[in-house]
Amino acid sequence: NAGVIQTPRHKVTGKGQEATLWCEPISGHSAVFWYRQTIVQGLEFLTYFRNQAPIDDSGMPKERFSAQMPNQSHSTLKIQSTQPQDSAVYLCASSLDGGDTGQLYFGEGSKLTVL
Amino acid sequence: GEKVEQHESTLSVREGDSAVINCTYTDTASSYFPWYKQEAGKSLHFVIDIRSNVDRKQSQRLIVLLDKKAKRFSLHITATQPEDSAIYFCAASANSNNRIFFGDGTQLVVKP
Repeated sequence: NAGVIQTPRHKVTGKGQEATLWCEPISGHSAVFWYRQTIVQGLEFLTYFRNQAPIDDSGMPKERFSAQMPNQSHSTLKIQSTQPQDSAVYLCASSLDGGDTGQLYFGEGSKLTVL
Repeated sequence: GEKVEQHESTLSVREGDSAVINCTYTDTASSYFPWYKQEAGKSLHFVIDIRSNVDRKQSQRLIVLLDKKAKRFSLHITATQPEDSAIYFCAASANSNNRIFFGDGTQLVVKP
């Protein structure tokens, strides 16, 4: 079991460019979560899928952020027109049953730096 | 929505002593309280959890206590070792929406 796989591990973009982050959840896990971690804001919830359907995207900045889960084996987080304040480590996690019934397995994260 | 607060941002103990990290939550509907550990330069991994149907759970050197009346829960690490040094995050989740709310983390330093 390879765990949750996130790519790329590091990404540097210029202001205004687009960034796409990928997450491969653990096989058989039905829930996928995206979080953002910064020193200032800590761990911020972004969005959550269960069985590929979006359940809660209340943490997503509405205008430039979007997330999809086109199949059970991967999810993407896309940030358009990146800004320096988007710089963070983006963490993907998966779980068997969803956040209230089982533990989250986190990937190693994708560190985004916006210059 | 739920708000989880960790009272200690940093905690320093001597090797062999116990460490206690305290958290509070606001939503009475929360029923699941996991703890995660993040070592330097690494991602989070699960260490222990407790559900609202019990008030104490132990796994080796880790003890979690839950006081539903006070909306407070705590992680006790006994006989601390240097490898326990990390950031510990408490979290809470309610059955209704499955979203997990995290505290801001406590940096635990275990000095030899």
